[in-house]
Amino acid sequence: GAVVSQHPSRVICKSGTSVKIECRSLDFQATTMFWYRQFPKQSLMLMATSNEGSKATYEQGVEKDKFLINHASLTLSTLTVTSAHPEDSSFYICSAQWDRVYGYTFGSGTRLTVV
Amino acid sequence: KNQVEQSPQSLIILEGKNCTLQCNYTVSPFSNLRWYKQDTGRGPVSLTIMTFSENTKSNGRYTATLDADTKQSSLHITASQLSDSASYICVVSDDTNAGKSTFGDGTTLTVKP
Repeated sequence: GAVVSQHPSRVICKSGTSVKIECRSLDFQATTMFWYRQFPKQSLMLMATSNEGSKATYEQGVEKDKFLINHASLTLSTLTVTSAHPEDSSFYICSAQWDRVYGYTFGSGTRLTVV
Repeated sequence: KNQVEQSPQSLIILEGKNCTLQCNYTVSPFSNLRWYKQDTGRGPVSLTIMTFSENTKSNGRYTATLDADTKQSSLHITASQLSDSASYICVVSDDTNAGKSTFGDGTTLTVKP
C-alpha cells in the first residue's frame, strides 16, 4: 500500500519551454504532498508543500512563478517548471503524506534535462 | 536551527561485512526519525520509522536505533550485499503543526565484491 507514482521519469526539453511533472497517490488520499529538488551527490531540498485545494507553500528562495504547483485533487499534484533553463536541470522528487507520523512515501523521481 | 548530521559521508565495505551509519540531530520538538535508502536516480524508499518511545526498529538486515536523550540514531546493516550500495538518508520531523522534516546529507555506501 501507500504507492506514489511520479511521471515522467525522464524528460528532456528545450530552453524556454515548460515541463509538467505529475505526482499521484495510487491507493490513498494525500491532502499534503511535497516537492523536492536534488542535485548530484546532495540530499533532497524541499521546494514547496502542496495542500489540496489551497495554494502551495514555497520554501525561501524558490520562485513561485517559475515552479507552479497545483494540487487539484486528493490524489494528484503537479509541478510545472515554466520557461525552463539549463540551470533548472535536476532530479525532482515528490512525496505524499498519508499519516502525520508514519506516512510519507516518495515518488520515483523525474530527471529533467534542459538543453 | 534544526539540523541533521550524518556520518560518515561515504563508506566502502566488502560484501558480507556489517556496517553502521550514524545520524545526529538537533530537531526539536522531536516527532519521528526515518531512515531511507536511495538508489542512484530513484526516489528514497523507507527503511524504518521511529517515534520518541521506540529505541530500535528492524527491517530485514537493517536495524535502526534511536537514543532520544542524546539525539542520536544509527542504522546497522548486517551481512551486506552488493544491492545495498546506495545513499542512506536520515530524516527527522518535528512535532509542530507543520511537521517539518529536516534531511541529512546522506551516507553513500558502496559494497564491493
